[in-house]
Amino acid sequence: GEDVEQSLFLSVREGDSSVINCTYTDSSSTYLYWYKQEPGAGLQLLTYIFSNMDMKQDQRLTVLLNKKDKHLSLRIADTQTGDSAIYFCAESPRGGYQKVTFGTGTKLQVIP
Amino acid sequence: DAGVIQSPRHEVTEMGQEVTLRCKPISGHNSLFWYRQTMMRGLELLIYFNNNVPIDDSGMPEDRFSAKMPNASFSTLKIQPSEPRDSAVYFCASSLRRDGTEAFFGQGTRLTVV
Repeated sequence: GEDVEQSLFLSVREGDSSVINCTYTDSSSTYLYWYKQEPGAGLQLLTYIFSNMDMKQDQRLTVLLNKKDKHLSLRIADTQTGDSAIYFCAESPRGGYQKVTFGTGTKLQVIP
Repeated sequence: DAGVIQSPRHEVTEMGQEVTLRCKPISGHNSLFWYRQTMMRGLELLIYFNNNVPIDDSGMPEDRFSAKMPNASFSTLKIQPSEPRDSAVYFCASSLRRDGTEAFFGQGTRLTVV
């Protein structure tokens, strides 16, 4: 079945850039998502990218997609302590959000 | 809009009891999803409704689980009888789009079955 993998933990210093990586196996993936989960809260959709795009930028967030390698990354510029959270990568095929597959999440710790 | 509202936020119950989790989606959203999150299995989609109709319930673990959406503004997830292995955080999410590309999550219900 589909699989989405992420490293479990990332620690960065405040002000540095964070890069969270994700790999997926489903070649029919059309939508790729990044969600943020703060303690005791639900998932917040940060951004998503269509598989026909290579890059998407939104303020401090940059998403890069390497479709050939099935590799997705989320870069957070000027990381702040408020960015500390768990970040989930997810993918779904076209028209099939109900078939979305989430990664295990990467816990980002920002050190002041 | 207040976002997706789930209740209760926390539930502790004894094994064998019936548990009902509630969700109010964002007004105007016609797709609703129930998820379960555990350390061991991560996020799992349990069931998906579109226009109040269950479209895909293949993620529902067993017959002890049931979900309803009697109208566009309310859904329930029921577990009867509950078991300790059902302990998890249950999330409800809603989306304007059938393909759910912008799904908004509630804050979740933390269920503990003892």
